[in-house]
Amino acid sequence: QKEVEQDPGPLSVPEGAIVSLNCTYSNSAFQYFMWYRQYSRKGPELLMYTYSSGNKEDGRFTAQVDKSSKYISLFIRDSQPSDSATYLCAMSAGIQGAQKLVFGQGTRLTINP
Amino acid sequence: NAGVMQNPRHLVRRRGQEARLRCSPMKGHSHVYWYRQLPEEGLKFMVYLQKENIIDESGMPKERFSAEFPKEGPSILRIQQVVRGDSAAYFCASSGSYQETQYFGPGTRLLVL
Repeated sequence: QKEVEQDPGPLSVPEGAIVSLNCTYSNSAFQYFMWYRQYSRKGPELLMYTYSSGNKEDGRFTAQVDKSSKYISLFIRDSQPSDSATYLCAMSAGIQGAQKLVFGQGTRLTINP
Repeated sequence: NAGVMQNPRHLVRRRGQEARLRCSPMKGHSHVYWYRQLPEEGLKFMVYLQKENIIDESGMPKERFSAEFPKEGPSILRIQQVVRGDSAAYFCASSGSYQETQYFGPGTRLLVL
């Protein structure tokens, strides 16, 4: 079993829809949770960063972490064609544990105009 | 305000040759991480370095791969006697001290013929 599971999609939605992306994980030591966006043949770009459980909002993006269920989500409101990319969840145990990031496989998202 | 820089962006090698990938971290960052992304897969951690020290190399293949981050100059990921299975995108990330977030470079795409 992988440490981090993420549905690879592909996911295709119409412009303006709310998008929900999810990851589950098995390592209870993970405390830091990130979402990266990766355009084709580019490097991952940090979108959201959350420590421990709770919600964090930044513009059209909301990240949620439920440590009791080992489940994290990223919501995109009012989705735009420019949001079409692969979204990667990543997590780490942090400075007190291991700082390496463990990634999900990535979900390929297409927003149709 | 340069971000993480990697060069070359594309590298073609024949089987048995050596590949050298370079990474300059973001200004003010002293922690460097290398990740590998195989086609249709997520990023996999390889090695974590600070200046002149390897902190975690748990993701590095036991043979042919090495990494360094000298006191002066960029971090280097070296792959000796490359094989076709080494063809992948190699990403470098950097972070500051006591920072959990990692920022990625554009990657080096290695093709082994």
